[in-house]
Amino acid sequence: QVHLQESGPGLLKASQTLSLTCTVSGGSISSAVYYWNWIRQSPGKGPEWIGYMSDRGAYYNPSLESRITISTDTSKNQFSLKLSSVTAADTAVYYCARSPKWEVLRLDYWGQGTLVTVYS
Amino acid sequence: QSVLTQPPSASGTPGQRVTISCSGSASNVGVYTVNWYQQRPGTAPKLLIYSNDQRPSGVPDRFSGSKSGTSASLVIGGLQSEDEADYYCAAWDDSLKGRGLFGGGTKLTVL
Repeated sequence: QVHLQESGPGLLKASQTLSLTCTVSGGSISSAVYYWNWIRQSPGKGPEWIGYMSDRGAYYNPSLESRITISTDTSKNQFSLKLSSVTAADTAVYYCARSPKWEVLRLDYWGQGTLVTVYS
Repeated sequence: QSVLTQPPSASGTPGQRVTISCSGSASNVGVYTVNWYQQRPGTAPKLLIYSNDQRPSGVPDRFSGSKSGTSASLVIGGLQSEDEADYYCAAWDDSLKGRGLFGGGTKLTVL
């Protein structure tokens, strides 16, 4: 059974850089079959797809790509999200999730999510 | 406003059949498969339907999905109290260099 767990600071000041890590167990992030995604959900809104990492590199939501970096640490079976210059609009629950490469939005395993609050 | 449009709310009584729609365009639903998620309060979304009409293992056959043109639908037959949740459609979109999209969500109330 695949398990994903997000970790990172829950409170950030505006203009700082958000850094979150997703630890994966029960599956390898080096897999050639899957994408490892970040998704966020602002209070009361639908989810927003942020981007994914694969064995061939990262791909980002064009609306966020100027501020995003997704990277991996294969030795720890982790992948990470960095989002720079945060504002209150970046306050959300951040999730990591897995999907097969042939269907990016078929997110079959999710972490429990971590709430990130940005204050000014 | 989301690019994938869903009704904000839906309701039904136990045993009833409820349909939730997802309206997109030629750059998303019209060319890519649609996935549906169920989200209960305080939990992560759960994959309910993938590839338009396929159920993951463990999802009851009361849940079914379909797609026609630029619209998709989720049907819940034999509504149960535990089905009260938010439901989201999701699809890839070719605009803006390519991106994943979610609908705005439909809150289902079981009366």
